[in-house]
Amino acid sequence: KAGVTQTPRYLIKTRGQQVTLSCSPISGHRSVSWYQQTPGQGLQFLFEYFSETQRNKGNFPGRFSGRQFSNSRSEMNVSTLELGDSALYLCASSIGQGQETQYFGPGTRLLVL
Amino acid sequence: QKEVEQDPGPLSVPEGAIVSLNCTYSNSAFQYFMWYRQYSRKGPELLMYTYSSGNKEDGRFTAQVDKSSKYISLFIRDSQPSDSATYLCAMKGHNNNDMRFGAGTRLTVKP
Repeated sequence: KAGVTQTPRYLIKTRGQQVTLSCSPISGHRSVSWYQQTPGQGLQFLFEYFSETQRNKGNFPGRFSGRQFSNSRSEMNVSTLELGDSALYLCASSIGQGQETQYFGPGTRLLVL
Repeated sequence: QKEVEQDPGPLSVPEGAIVSLNCTYSNSAFQYFMWYRQYSRKGPELLMYTYSSGNKEDGRFTAQVDKSSKYISLFIRDSQPSDSATYLCAMKGHNNNDMRFGAGTRLTVKP
């Protein structure tokens, strides 16, 4: 069974631009969660989507948004990029019932200049 | 105080040593406890998954959860150089995929 895939793997943007990242979950998984990983803050939860609806949201500004499609693929968008948005963005998928654990993709490394 | 505390290390041990990693937490709502291993420039890989208190063993890895003390541990027996990575503890509540992570402990196993 294929794992979680994320595209692109690397991205360089400049301040003020916006970016869209994509995540394809493991087949049969309906929940997709997004995390930001930085050396200073570690792994922080951004939001979770289940059946095309945002189910949980972390403590990030409104510049960070996401959506999920009917095939469970998800995208996250960051608008008006800031230098501090440079990070590894990880997506994790799970079946979606809440009790099971999540499996991570390789991440998208975003550099904002 | 952070919700999940984990000593970032670094931790260096000789090959064959027993490694002990641990985390403490403050939120009593956490019921699911995970350990992930992350190699440099890779996504976290699930190692162990435990529900509530108790022990779980998988090969060279043993996870322990003590909910009364809000303390979880991961033991690695007969450590190998290939175990060199960052180990992250993670935990979440019931019906909630908002996982909270420790800072990660960087482990080096020297041949």
